[in-house]
Amino acid sequence: QVQLQESGPGLVRPSETLSLTCAVSGYSISSGYYWGWVRQPPGKGLEWIGSIFRSGGVYYMPSLKSRVTISVDTSNNQFSLELNSVTAADTAVYYCARRDYDNNFDIWGRGTLVTVSS
Amino acid sequence: QSALTQPRSVSGSPGQSVTISCTGTSLDVGGYNYVSWYQHHPGKAPKLIIYNVIKRPSGVPDRFSGSKSGNTASLTISGLQAEDEADYHCSSYATSYTLLFGGGTTLTVL
Repeated sequence: QVQLQESGPGLVRPSETLSLTCAVSGYSISSGYYWGWVRQPPGKGLEWIGSIFRSGGVYYMPSLKSRVTISVDTSNNQFSLELNSVTAADTAVYYCARRDYDNNFDIWGRGTLVTVSS
Repeated sequence: QSALTQPRSVSGSPGQSVTISCTGTSLDVGGYNYVSWYQHHPGKAPKLIIYNVIKRPSGVPDRFSGSKSGNTASLTISGLQAEDEADYHCSSYATSYTLLFGGGTTLTVL
């Protein structure tokens, strides 16, 4: 059974960098699929942030591209998100998820709330 | 790239059918058969219920069905049940490996 679990600080100060990690169990990242991040600001819909392939090919939402870095650590079977220069608008529940080759997120983590506040 | 457009809320009584629309453009919904629907109960992980416009993952009841016409995709839930009350999000591929989501629709079972 494939499971994903997000971890990281729940509070980040404005202008600093948001860093989250997604630990994957039950499946080896190096075996395939894309691995991505999706967020949901309070009261709003889901927003795709970006996805990374096992070999490192990475794709970002254009509006976030200048601030986002997604990386993969196959040795520890996890992938990470960094979002810099955060503002209150980046406050959201952040989900990590597995994206299949038909562009569906078929397995999700439970999500972690990140609040940007001083 | 703008988010896909969904109604903020829909409602129906048990046993009835409801349809949720998801409107995009020819660059996303209308251009690809990569529309997905997710059921999201608050506090839980979203669940994939429809993929490739019309397909259902194993274990998803056939009360859930998807369709598409032009730039608008639709999710229909027939035989509404209390446990169907949730938020529903559509998603579409939108060129260069990017994805768009809709704003989400809250389904209330009366």
